[in-house]
Amino acid sequence: GENVEQHPSTLSVQEGDSAVIKCTYSDSASNYFPWYKQELGKRPQLIIDIRSNVGEKKDQRIAVTLNKTAKHFSLHITETQPEDSAVYFCAAGRVARGNTNAGKSTFGDGTTLTVKP
Amino acid sequence: GAGVSQTPSNKVTEKGKYVELRCDPISGHTALYWYRQSLGQGPEFLIYFQGTGAADDSGLPNDRFFAVRPEGSVSTLKIQRTERGDSAVYLCASSLTGPDTQYFGPGTRLTVL
Repeated sequence: GENVEQHPSTLSVQEGDSAVIKCTYSDSASNYFPWYKQELGKRPQLIIDIRSNVGEKKDQRIAVTLNKTAKHFSLHITETQPEDSAVYFCAAGRVARGNTNAGKSTFGDGTTLTVKP
Repeated sequence: GAGVSQTPSNKVTEKGKYVELRCDPISGHTALYWYRQSLGQGPEFLIYFQGTGAADDSGLPNDRFFAVRPEGSVSTLKIQRTERGDSAVYLCASSLTGPDTQYFGPGTRLTVL
């Protein structure tokens, strides 16, 4: 099955700096890579996702890059703000319909990001 | 519109008891997922429904765990003979046509004493 590793487990940055979180996956059939933000006691919320036919995707201060050959993808947050402080999870899954293994996502163990004002 | 909802928000039970956790997906979403999240870890896949049928139940840890979705909307996760190791937050998510972007509910925090 799929195995997702996420680094670092904790990350502390100064407000305004950039933050980068990296994930690797093992299953070459995975083609969907979402990132979730989870604040303490709250549900995971999707912040950005990327599919395997795209190498990079950007949404304002957040960007995700994907390297299918190396089987890794990264989350980049620029101009960090204190409200970006949370736990961030990457995940890998399949979205090919008709594939019996499609549907589930395998999550990394999370990165606790702290943005210091 | 309304998001994914889960009830109860908290459930405390004794070892050996039976519990049911309920998930109401976003209206019109055909795919529904159950995950379990322990402290300091990412969500762990349990089961995925496409409509009424379980398309993938490979994450259910053992036969004490069972889930149903009889009418293709609300789902119930059932745990028999609960053990202390079952304590976790149980998350439900739904997606429009699945497998695709998943929207999570707030979770049910299960504590087995």
